[in-house]
Amino acid sequence: GENVEQHPSTLSVQEGDSAVIKCTYSDSASNYFPWYKQELGKGPQLIIDIRSNVGEKKDQRIAVTLNKTAKHFSLHITETQPEDSAVYFCAATGANNLFFGTGTRLTVIP
Amino acid sequence: DTGVSQDPRHKITKRGQNVTFRCDPISEHNRLYWYRQTLGQGPEFLTYFQNEAQLEKSRLLSDRFSAERPKGSFSTLEIQRTEQGDSAMYLCASSYGTPNFNYGYTFGSGTRLTVV
Repeated sequence: GENVEQHPSTLSVQEGDSAVIKCTYSDSASNYFPWYKQELGKGPQLIIDIRSNVGEKKDQRIAVTLNKTAKHFSLHITETQPEDSAVYFCAATGANNLFFGTGTRLTVIP
Repeated sequence: DTGVSQDPRHKITKRGQNVTFRCDPISEHNRLYWYRQTLGQGPEFLTYFQNEAQLEKSRLLSDRFSAERPKGSFSTLEIQRTEQGDSAMYLCASSYGTPNFNYGYTFGSGTRLTVV
């Protein structure tokens, strides 16, 4: 099955700085890569996703890049704000269930 | 449509009791998934349905666990003879899946189970 690795496990940035979280996957058949934000006591919330036929996607302060050859994808958050503090998960899937990374706890320091 | 709904939000039960959780997916979605998440970990896949058919079960789904999705709408996850190790957040998700693509993966808020 798919194996998704995520780094770093914790990340602290000053408000206004950028944050980058990186993931690698193992199954070349994976073609959909969502990113989720999870706040304490809540379910994961989809924040951005990318398909394997696209190299980059941006939505306001959030962007995701995908390198199919190297099997890695990254989340970029610019101009971070305190409300961005949460746990972020990357995931990968082909046509069936999602496989998740182990999560990154992002702390934005005011 | 208000998204994926799960009930109850919290459940405390004594070891050995049976518990049942319910999930109502997004109505346009044909696939429904159950995941389990323990503290500090990512969600782990348990099982999924396409319409009413249960297509895949993880090795994590012991014989004490059973899931159903009658008529391809809501789903229930039952845990029999609960153990302390079953304490976790149980997440439901739904999506629209085809043989080649899967999209719109949306999670509910989860049911937090505590076995005492």
